[in-house]
Amino acid sequence: AQSVTQLDSQVPVFEEAPVELRCNYSSSVSVYLFWYVQYPNQGLQLLLKYLSGSTLVESINGFEAEFNKSQTSFHLRKPSVHISDTAEYFCAVSEGRDDKIIFGKGTRLHILP
Amino acid sequence: KAGVTQTPRYLIKTRGQQVTLSCSPISGHRSVSWYQQTPGQGLQFLFEYFSETQRNKGNFPGRFSGRQFSNSRSEMNVSTLELGDSALYLCASSLSFARLNTEAFFGQGTRLTVV
Repeated sequence: AQSVTQLDSQVPVFEEAPVELRCNYSSSVSVYLFWYVQYPNQGLQLLLKYLSGSTLVESINGFEAEFNKSQTSFHLRKPSVHISDTAEYFCAVSEGRDDKIIFGKGTRLHILP
Repeated sequence: KAGVTQTPRYLIKTRGQQVTLSCSPISGHRSVSWYQQTPGQGLQFLFEYFSETQRNKGNFPGRFSGRQFSNSRSEMNVSTLELGDSALYLCASSLSFARLNTEAFFGQGTRLTVV
């Protein structure tokens, strides 16, 4: 069965600094990978997803993630964070077209002024 | 168009009671999934419904159950509540269960506190 590990429960970073949120998954088959963001007191929103094709996927607000099959990773990066990026970020995996989506435990991103 | 609506937003129940949570998906969406979110365990998948049929189920005890109506609205029920059931319960809707071309949209959740 698939699983997702987010190695950092919290990541503090100064505003305008780069950030990387780590995500590793385990699965014996091809996977679809997602990053969701949860702003305070809100539900989850899809940030970006990898289904196939280019291993580098980007979101509209400057985040990107790279699918690395050999390392079974899907780390999320942003070259320069803003205070508005303060949120909890969830990595998720699905093994098939109609399989359930399994989430990691989340990484809370703290932006320091 | 309206987003995913979960009611109630907050709920306080006593151990041993039962509770029913409601989720109205986005109009036209036929798939509804339920998740339990706690600080220690993150988001854990409960079950998914599509066209009134349960398609997937997570590893939760039988006290957790759900159903979906013909208008795609879904309810989940927890019987014999335990303190550990205190959590944020999130509902997500999508057009269909096919992940390739669909996106899951989440509601704001129902915060359940068991005392």
